[in-house]
Amino acid sequence: QVHLQESGPGLVKPSGTLSLTCTVSGGPIFSTYWWTWVRQAPGKGLEWIGEIYDSGTTNYNPSLKSRVTLSVDKSKNQFSLELNSVTAADSAVYYCVRSFGAFDSWGPGILVTVSS
Amino acid sequence: DIQMTQSPSTLSASVGDRVTITCRASQNINNWLAWYQQKAGKAPKLLIYKASTLETGVASRFSGSGSETEFTLTISNLEPDDFATYYCQQYQTFTKTLGQGTKLEIK
Repeated sequence: QVHLQESGPGLVKPSGTLSLTCTVSGGPIFSTYWWTWVRQAPGKGLEWIGEIYDSGTTNYNPSLKSRVTLSVDKSKNQFSLELNSVTAADSAVYYCVRSFGAFDSWGPGILVTVSS
Repeated sequence: DIQMTQSPSTLSASVGDRVTITCRASQNINNWLAWYQQKAGKAPKLLIYKASTLETGVASRFSGSGSETEFTLTISNLEPDDFATYYCQQYQTFTKTLGQGTKLEIK
């Protein structure tokens, strides 16, 4: 059974870059899934950020596209999220997710706060 | 982008009740719809995909139906563990979108 785990700083300064990594265990990242990031601001709903295929093909949320970069490292079975020029509005729990279109496996989530 | 609208936003029900949550898409999504359950402080859990296919291990009291732009999630014989927030999500397009959520509360 696949397991996903987010890691990265829990505090990022305004205008800085949020960088998170998801480590996948229990199965190869080289597979027929999309590797996805979803976030949830405190007390709010779920927001899809984007997805990456093992070939490196990406799809992004249009509202975040100018600030987001996803990457994958198959040798480490990891994929990563970078979100630049962050503001307080980017404070959220960030989830890494395995997707076949529907999101079938989720990491536990990591809280990232944007604050000086 | 395809917009997903859930109703109601909040639903109050009792143990043993049967409830229905509706999700409407702004355009035809050809049954590429999933439903999730999220409990406070936890990651969401996939319940149903392709509008009506039950994910492995999910209780049969959950069911999904609908087509094109209108979909429903029905929970029969509510159990205490079912009180949570539910989300729909479309995956017809490369850009995925989710509904705003429906909070199912105990009456």
